[in-house]
Amino acid sequence: AQKVTQAQTEISVVEKEDVTLDCVYETRDTTYYLFWYKQPPSGELVFLIRRNSFDEQNEISGRYSWNFQKSTSSFNFTITASQVVDSAVYFCALILSFGNEKLTFGTGTRLTIIP
Amino acid sequence: EPEVTQTPSHQVTQMGQEVILRCVPISNHLYFYWYRQILGQKVEFLVSFYNNEISEKSEIFDDQFSVERPDGSNFTLKIRSTKLEDSAMYFCASRSLSYEQYFGPGTRLTVT
Repeated sequence: AQKVTQAQTEISVVEKEDVTLDCVYETRDTTYYLFWYKQPPSGELVFLIRRNSFDEQNEISGRYSWNFQKSTSSFNFTITASQVVDSAVYFCALILSFGNEKLTFGTGTRLTIIP
Repeated sequence: EPEVTQTPSHQVTQMGQEVILRCVPISNHLYFYWYRQILGQKVEFLVSFYNNEISEKSEIFDDQFSVERPDGSNFTLKIRSTKLEDSAMYFCASRSLSYEQYFGPGTRLTVT
C-alpha cells in the first residue's frame, strides 16, 4: 500500500522569506504520479503540479519550485519570496499509474505567512 | 476555464436522514471521484467511478453510501442513513485521461 508523509504540520514564516514544504512517499510500484494541492482558507483544493515517476527534472513555475528525488522518495515544494496569499494548507499526494484510482494524500502542512 | 461544481455548499441534516450530494464534473472528463475531509484532517478517498460503474471504493464506502451518474452531467453521492461521524467536507473530483484530478469546492455536511 502507498503512503505519503508530510512531517511538518505547521510552518510560519515572515513575508518574503523562502519556505520549503517536505513530502516523503512510499510505494512499491515503479510507475506513479505525485501531486501538490493547495487548500486556501476558503476550503477548495487547487491542483498545483503533477510529476510522473520517470521524470526527475525539477520544475519551476514563477515563485514555486519542486524538487523530486527518487533516491530519497521525496517531492519537496519551495515557495520563494513568500506572500500572504500563499497562506494555506498544502497537501502532497500520490497515485499509482495502473489499476489504482485513488489519490493518497498526506496529512498536509499548514503554512502561515506573517505580514 | 471549466470547473467542477458541487451543490449544496453546506447541508445540515439530522442523524438517520438520507442526503444526496450533487456534483457536475468537467464536461469532457471520464473518471469521477468522491473524497471526504473530516475537519482538520487529511483528504480521504471514498470511491471512483468510470464507465457507469464503481471502479474502486474504500473501506469507508460501506452499504450506506452509493453513487450514481443519473444523466450525462451530474454525479451524485447518497448517504442513506447519516451518522454523526459522517460530518465532513465532501469533495467531488474528475479527470480526463491524464492523471490530475480537479476538485470541486466541496459540500460541508453537518449531521446533528
